[in-house]
Amino acid sequence: DSGVTQTPKHLITATGQRVTLRCSPRSGDLSVYWYQQSLDQGLQFLIQYYNGEERAKGNILERFSAQQFPDLHSELNLSSLELGDSALYFCASSPRTGNTIYFGEGSWLTVV
Amino acid sequence: DAKTTQPTSMDCAEGRAANLPCNHSTISGNEYVYWYRQIHSQGPQYIIHGLKNNETNEMASLIITEDRKSSTLILPHATLRDTAVYYCIVPNYGGSQGNLIFGKGTKLSVKP
Repeated sequence: DSGVTQTPKHLITATGQRVTLRCSPRSGDLSVYWYQQSLDQGLQFLIQYYNGEERAKGNILERFSAQQFPDLHSELNLSSLELGDSALYFCASSPRTGNTIYFGEGSWLTVV
Repeated sequence: DAKTTQPTSMDCAEGRAANLPCNHSTISGNEYVYWYRQIHSQGPQYIIHGLKNNETNEMASLIITEDRKSSTLILPHATLRDTAVYYCIVPNYGGSQGNLIFGKGTKLSVKP
């Protein structure tokens, strides 16, 4: 158990819909990261937040957005969903940038 | 792009040591080498990291060559539960691809 909690664990939704994935980082960790893993791609970095501020942005689609709240939990919002968005979405956290990053167990998103 | 090169796959007999190599010939003097593993569709699990000295923890040992251009992760007594994809990563702090760039890793199969 890494201490990073993600909800929901599984989610099935229709194309065109919007979903929100939630992440609670390890206690005391200020930095949160989101990654996407689909069948034909490896782990792709989406975005990083540090203490509420966006720190780094990867290959995140414009239909996706994220935020980190004052209590340090984070949400990843995925809208106008397409079949190709079906993937495992991982959240990870670290005390600060430059420390070891710990991953949650992921949220399985299936778009039908 | 990932800064590391790993074999695509390796086999190991249960109970024997698994030695997973990694080349990181362009590593800078202050860059760490991290190892993670991902057991099928679970969240990536941190294993160990090091800078220049050899490191050991309850999971594995990390041997880094003196020139730091390569390293070896050693699982001293592999079990079937160690079957996973192992990633050797040199973090990229401040880059747009996030701190951890996951390549394809080495798929380790531990066989009875």
